[in-house]
Amino acid sequence: GAVVSQHPSWVICKSGTSVKIECRSLDFQATTMFWYRQFPKQSLMLMATSNEGSKATYEQGVEKDKFLINHASLTLSTLTVTSAHPEDSSFYICSAINRDRVMGEQYFGPGTRLTVT
Amino acid sequence: AQKITQTQPGMFVQEKEAVTLDCTYDTSDPSYGLFWYKQPSSGEMIFLIYQGSYDQQNATEGRYSLNFQKARKSANLVISASQLGDSAMYFCAMREGGNQGGKLIFGQGTELSVKP
Repeated sequence: GAVVSQHPSWVICKSGTSVKIECRSLDFQATTMFWYRQFPKQSLMLMATSNEGSKATYEQGVEKDKFLINHASLTLSTLTVTSAHPEDSSFYICSAINRDRVMGEQYFGPGTRLTVT
Repeated sequence: AQKITQTQPGMFVQEKEAVTLDCTYDTSDPSYGLFWYKQPSSGEMIFLIYQGSYDQQNATEGRYSLNFQKARKSANLVISASQLGDSAMYFCAMREGGNQGGKLIFGQGTELSVKP
């Protein structure tokens, strides 16, 4: 089946530093990937849509200069949290669309837990 | 207005019994897709089942079935013969439009607990 990996699975960083999270589709090509964040016991909130070879589309209220997204290849998208603050601590999940599947369902990565101290 | 609504924050079910998780949606687009995902405590999102707006029959995948009532705009998930491993958060999601690359809108989720 379609597999999406994320690295790292968890990270602790100091306030003011930047953190990069990678999302890879391992056995299919993903022209579109999505980035979500999730607070405990809450739903997934879409942050941005990442399209290979073009700029990401950010959802309303998401700071594009703070959450930098790069989709450099058909199998890799990265999310960089710049100048992280404690309020950025969250669970970040990426997903990728397998266009070879008829319904184009999204396959999710295992998530990255970010803690900013 | 909420596009996807899950009104049950938490549900309990006895092992081996069936349980229905509610989901209603709101869209004016005639073409849409409805998804259910399971999220165990580990955090991974596991795809369970899909229903297209033009599908005539209710989707089924093993112990999972989707009770699709288009006129009522509901897409309830039915889990038969519950198992302890079914304890998790369950999210209903909708993709609007015929674009299979479109984004998903998630409901608030339902936390299911299966009792032995």
